[in-house]
Amino acid sequence: DTAVSQTPKYLVTQMGNDKSIKCEQNLGHDTMYWYKQDSKKFLKIMFSYNNKELIINETVPNRFSPKSPDKAHLNLHINSLELGDSAVYFCASGHDRGNYGYTFGSGTRLTVV
Amino acid sequence: QKEVEQDPGPLSVPEGAIVSLNCTYSNSAFQYFMWYRQYSRKGPELLMYTYSSGNKEDGRFTAQVDKSSKYISLFIRDSQPSDSATYLCAMRRDAGKSTFGDGTTLTVKP
Repeated sequence: DTAVSQTPKYLVTQMGNDKSIKCEQNLGHDTMYWYKQDSKKFLKIMFSYNNKELIINETVPNRFSPKSPDKAHLNLHINSLELGDSAVYFCASGHDRGNYGYTFGSGTRLTVV
Repeated sequence: QKEVEQDPGPLSVPEGAIVSLNCTYSNSAFQYFMWYRQYSRKGPELLMYTYSSGNKEDGRFTAQVDKSSKYISLFIRDSQPSDSATYLCAMRRDAGKSTFGDGTTLTVKP
């Protein structure tokens, strides 16, 4: 059983398109995250939801909109895609407090052409 | 200045060597310290986590935290080719996001 699953794994799309990435976790964690990893492997937090409530919203263009229908799901919608959006997007889950690390999904490799 | 600085690497060692991976940080509010391993084209996986200063051992891996110096390390003994990956340190306060280092890519040569 996959603990944190993301779809799709690969996404190639043209500039200006709108796309969505979906994430689901079956670990019972109360918090889910979106991270962006650039070509140099730097992981940067984008958003975090705790029990469907947005708790972290870093400086991210408003073309990016997260949605959490329930605490097991967190989706990311991106409008008007730009070349600079090309990266690997990771979903992760964990607990907001305490001595917990995250469980990451396998990532969605987005390429904007 | 970044909150978390990680030795950049890359690092290449022969099989069986002892590897030391290091991070420094500036935010004294960080309480929890983690190491993740990321294989190529995979998501990071949690390797170890620690709370407060001291050492924590798990098999060939030892995590060390020195809060007075704001310095953490991961030691890998008897390194194996299967340890070849990017290692990311991460840290967090009691609540909220984890802040990651930039990662160190390790290659262990047979």
